[in-house]
Amino acid sequence: KNEVEQSPQNLTAQEGEFITINCSYSVGISALHWLQQHPGGGIVSLFMLSSGKKKHGRLIATINIQEKHSSLHITASHPRDSAVYICAVTPNTGNQFYFGTGTSLTVIP
Amino acid sequence: KAGVTQTPRYLIKTRGQQVTLSCSPISGHRSVSWYQQTPGQGLQFLFEYFSETQRNKGNFPGRFSGRQFSNSRSEMNVSTLELGDSALYLCASSSTGTGDGYTFGSGTRLTVV
Repeated sequence: KNEVEQSPQNLTAQEGEFITINCSYSVGISALHWLQQHPGGGIVSLFMLSSGKKKHGRLIATINIQEKHSSLHITASHPRDSAVYICAVTPNTGNQFYFGTGTSLTVIP
Repeated sequence: KAGVTQTPRYLIKTRGQQVTLSCSPISGHRSVSWYQQTPGQGLQFLFEYFSETQRNKGNFPGRFSGRQFSNSRSEMNVSTLELGDSALYLCASSSTGTGDGYTFGSGTRLTVV
């Protein structure tokens, strides 16, 4: 049983397109995280959300606590956005992450 | 300020050997958590330490262990290595580990032959 489900698994977009990645979770959470992983392995934390919406540059993350759903949007996508995007949640019950399987995004020039 | 430092970056070991990986958190961060990433299983939580105490542990065999020192640096140890232990091992640090911001290290890539 996966506590966190992400879709799509793979996504190819043309440069400039608007991109949405979805995340659903089944446990009570204290926070939801969107992570970015480039080839080579390093992970960068993009957002930490417990409610509402956050925006950093071209990236927007939203969360609906009642529906247990979050979305990551990328506006005006660029080839440098190509990476794996991972949704993770910190459950109410413990100090750890549950991870989604990731969305591999490729943005073509 | 310095980020999370993991050493070594790459490691090749033989089946049956043991290995120790190190993670130095951001200064002031007291929580260090460890994760295993494999192509088949994705990212999985190993354990989390706060102020030298293990607060939570994932579903891994007892061959996987860890500890945290008084300066918050953490080590994880894997004994009797198996081929399936080949993975990227990541650590992350945060101030309290209870949902605040996390910073990840670059990981240690372990290959077991």
